[in-house]
Amino acid sequence: EIVLTQSPGTVSLSPGERATLSCRASQTISRDSLAWYQHKRGQAPRLLIYGASTRATGIPDRFSGSGSGTDFTVSITRLEPEDFAVYYCQHYGSSPPSVTFGGGTRVEIK
Amino acid sequence: EMQLLESGGGLEQPGGSLRLSCAASGFTFSRYAMTWVRQAPGKGLEWVSTISGSGSNIYYADSVRGRFTISRDNSKNTLFLQISSLRAEDTAVYYCAKDVRYSAMDHFDCWGQGTLVTVSS
Repeated sequence: EIVLTQSPGTVSLSPGERATLSCRASQTISRDSLAWYQHKRGQAPRLLIYGASTRATGIPDRFSGSGSGTDFTVSITRLEPEDFAVYYCQHYGSSPPSVTFGGGTRVEIK
Repeated sequence: EMQLLESGGGLEQPGGSLRLSCAASGFTFSRYAMTWVRQAPGKGLEWVSTISGSGSNIYYADSVRGRFTISRDNSKNTLFLQISSLRAEDTAVYYCAKDVRYSAMDHFDCWGQGTLVTVSS
């Protein structure tokens, strides 16, 4: 079973700053199988990135994903007020079929 | 616009049962696998179950296998989750999510707002 570990647990930043969030897999996974979501309290989670680096429809280009093997990152170049939220990475596997989420990183206003 | 709307949550006693529903609109429901994900208070997201577009392939997390049953009615564009033998640890917001694939899990491009299930005596 793949375990995803996200770090840091919480990061405090100011609007306009850059955020770099990490997701580490317990074993090598395919780039195609890694996605990122944004989740605000009381709202539906939103798909940000899939295939490790492809932005979902409507996601602004200040969001970018990268990584391979066991280490993946999502970066937000200039934090906007609406970007303060919890971010989750997710792996989807086929043998056996399964879905795993990381524990999440909270981006809070400093 | 794709939309998912969950319902059926509420307060239930340990050992009880609930049936959650998720009404879909804005896309061809039968063409996509659908998934339930939950979030316990103060915790992260946890995958619960996935059903393929036809309903023929079903997958469960170990934590719910044998107690939860996922199903779908493609004629009514509705996804269901029957939750039985409820435990306190099943207390969570339950989200339904649309997969980008027909037959297996991948990533989820549409989520509902969630429905709260509280298990307490």
